[in-house]
Amino acid sequence: DTGVSQDPRHKITKRGQNVTFRCDPISEHNRLYWYRQTLGQGPEFLTYFQNEAQLEKSRLLSDRFSAERPKGSFSTLEIQRTEQGDSAMYLCASSRDRDEQYFGPGTRLTVT
Amino acid sequence: SQQGEEDPQALSIQEGENATMNCSYKTSINNLQWYRQNSGRGLVHLILIRSNEREKHSGRLRVTLDTSKKSSSLLITASRAADTASYFCATDAGGYSTLTFGKGTMLLVSP
Repeated sequence: DTGVSQDPRHKITKRGQNVTFRCDPISEHNRLYWYRQTLGQGPEFLTYFQNEAQLEKSRLLSDRFSAERPKGSFSTLEIQRTEQGDSAMYLCASSRDRDEQYFGPGTRLTVT
Repeated sequence: SQQGEEDPQALSIQEGENATMNCSYKTSINNLQWYRQNSGRGLVHLILIRSNEREKHSGRLRVTLDTSKKSSSLLITASRAADTASYFCATDAGGYSTLTFGKGTMLLVSP
């Protein structure tokens, strides 16, 4: 399978814990995006990487969120001190330049 | 904030009928993309239409774009039960081509 993959698919954590999600983009894609989607809403942009450089961050991305893309390959999104409001589907997408963005299956986070 | 607004919010039709969904947006765009999402799953890319294009086809899908009205429509012809999903429009308004999504249209196709 050469699509975008995300791991884990589901994560249940207690409030205050840290969580980390991984995204593996399509191999030849230089752009990688993270979005968050809550029930009944469309995805909202969180952050964007071009190769290994994080070039844009949404105001939604509080100080508790950090993302990396070492060597321009896979990416990780970490949430520290999780809150119940962080419960959502976290979606990763990749693209080649300004072409279509291809999304992974998402990681569903539940904070109890 | 969400730039795209899909209309209607929900649409229920019979198999074989056509389904039309509309999307309005607020700012100038580089391109507009339509996605499908089955319940609780990731998004599947359907079609991308650039700002200098007016119409695009892909199989049973037809997308139009009217930049003067800042609107787009997605037509699914001869719908099937498998088309049941939420459909989102997303705009690339420049910069780093991050997408801004609407809230989506929930389409239900009954056999």
